[in-house]
Amino acid sequence: GEDVEQSLFLSVREGDSSVINCTYTDSSSTYLYWYKQEPGAGLQLLTYIFSNMDMKQDQRLTVLLNKKDKHLSLRIADTQTGDSAIYFCAEERQLTFGSGTQLTVLP
Amino acid sequence: GAVVSQHPSRVICKSGTSVKIECRSLDFQATTMFWYRQFPKQSLMLMATSNEGSKATYEQGVEKDKFLINHASLTLSTLTVTSAHPEDSSFYICSARDPARQGSIYEQYFGPGTRLTVT
Repeated sequence: GEDVEQSLFLSVREGDSSVINCTYTDSSSTYLYWYKQEPGAGLQLLTYIFSNMDMKQDQRLTVLLNKKDKHLSLRIADTQTGDSAIYFCAEERQLTFGSGTQLTVLP
Repeated sequence: GAVVSQHPSRVICKSGTSVKIECRSLDFQATTMFWYRQFPKQSLMLMATSNEGSKATYEQGVEKDKFLINHASLTLSTLTVTSAHPEDSSFYICSARDPARQGSIYEQYFGPGTRLTVT
């Protein structure tokens, strides 16, 4: 089946940038997504990128897509304590989710 | 945006009993709903796809007799965990597809999840 992989943990200091990485296998996805999950809550769609784009910026969020390497990343600028959560990347058709990256923001 | 609710948000039940979880689309009609399961510190695993008025499609490895799904109306799908065991303890999340937005990136809306604990 299709596979989406992420590193499990990331810690950054408040004010620094965070970069969360994801690799995927399904090259047919038209969209790729980033979701945020706060403790005990459901998923919140953060942002998405079309597969024909290399980069998308949305306020503090920057998504980079390398289709050749099937690599997706989410950069959060000026990371705040409220950004602490689990971040999932997901492919479109099967809505296959990565394992999630636990982002911890240290004061 | 569209809202999906789940009820209950938390439930504790004894081994051997059954528990029902409801997923409702509050301001749109959902022809398709999805049920996911999430283990602690792990990703979401798609369990089944529920289409209104027809039988659910289960993913490989998911026991259809144990996880009964009923999508009786365009705004409600239910997941019943039958003869629950402690290993069924998990976070169950539903999502609903809004056909009015078919093909857009907003076509799935997620519920807040239900924490099931089986003692």
